[in-house]
Formats: sequence, C-alpha cells, structure tokens
Amino acid sequence: DAGVIQSPRHEVTEMGQEVTLRCKPISGHDYLFWYRQTMMRGLELLIYFNNNVPIDDSGMPEDRFSAKMPNASFSTLKIQPSEPRDSAVYFCASSLPRSGDRKFGIFSGANVLTFGAGSRLTVL
Amino acid sequence: AQSVTQLDSHVSVSEGTPVLLRCNYSSSYSPSLFWYVQHPNKGLQLLLKYTSAATLVKGINGFEAEFKKSETSFHLTKPSAHMSDAAEYFCVVTFTSGTYKYIFGTGTRLKVLA
Repeated sequence: DAGVIQSPRHEVTEMGQEVTLRCKPISGHDYLFWYRQTMMRGLELLIYFNNNVPIDDSGMPEDRFSAKMPNASFSTLKIQPSEPRDSAVYFCASSLPRSGDRKFGIFSGANVLTFGAGSRLTVL
Repeated sequence: AQSVTQLDSHVSVSEGTPVLLRCNYSSSYSPSLFWYVQHPNKGLQLLLKYTSAATLVKGINGFEAEFKKSETSFHLTKPSAHMSDAAEYFCVVTFTSGTYKYIFGTGTRLKVLA
C-alpha cells in the first residue's frame, strides 16, 4: 500500500487566495482525520470523518475552513480566503475502525493512525 | 475530561545512555496509548501502541513503554540512545468508548549528544 497520500507537499500563496489541500487515505480505512501543526499550538485536530461523513468538526478554526469527503478515497481541506496565520503543516491521517465498531458497538482497542507526509502551507 | 501530558518539552541525553520520555494521561475510560516519532520536516511515524494486552510494549528501533494504570503513565524508554533517535516524540491517547479522537501530547524534543 502506498500509505496516506497528500498533495501538494508545499504551497505558497498570497493572503486572500483560496487554498485546497488533498488527501487520499489508505484503502479500506473508514476514518479520516485532518490535523494542523504549528510551533505555537502543536498538533490540533481540525475534523474527522467516518465512512465519508463528518463526525466532529469542532476543531475547524472558523468559517474560512471547510472539509469534504466525497468518496472513500478522497478528501479535501479548503481555506477561503487564506490568511498568514493559516501558515502551518496540515496532516491527513487515516485508520481502521476500533475493533468491534461494526459488530456490537463494543470497543476492544484502537487501531493505528497512519499519517501522510503533510502539506506545508505558507500564506504571505 | 480526557487529556495527555508530556512532562518534558526537551530532553538531552548522550549517545549510548538511556532515554526516558514521560507521559501521563487522564481518562474516564479505558485508554489506548501510542507513541509517535516525528523527524525534522517529516510526518509522524508509529513507534508502539498499547491496547489492553501486555502492559510492557515493545516498539521499533529498540523503544519500549510500560502502561501503569495506578500511575496513569505510559513512559517511553530506550536502553541506549543513538544519534538517529534525535526527533520529536508524541504521546497519544484515544479511548475505547465515546468519541474517536486521538489526543496528542505537546511533544518532547529529544536531543542526542555525541
């Protein structure tokens, strides 16, 4: 498996421009997570999906940020309009369900979160 | 509330000496715990995980961690540091019930001195 694939790896844009980051999760993984990493705030969860449905978007900073997952193999994170404070590394990660998720609702352990290489965004 | 605390933001060790990176968690549920490593300008890579099996967990590159429920700790250790171990290490917790969020610690930057 090629792992979690993110694009672009680097993006430099000017304030006010629209930015779209893309992610292809590992095939068969039901969960997809978007994280942002900055020196000041560390790793922050922005949003996560289960079976293409957004489950928790409480970490999305503001309305300028939106995320979609139109199918099981593709997700986007969009920033419109972008601002210099959005400069960060954005990571996508995917995982299998917790054991037992699909059966009895009894969770017997969590599966590994596999990260992409990240998209480094610089907004000038 | 669920949380994870990494007690040291920076740790420096000499090459060949033991490594100890500390992690404590707070949880109302049974936790699953992980350690991830991030080398400069790279993504995060799994070192090891604990999911309610053996309390002493062995990972890659000679690292191991011990889950101690009474102390709510999951400290990462390695008997002998190598230069290539210099990186940032994250302790991560998630839970077997409730929301499926992975909660990251603030990270410990490990420096290995020659």
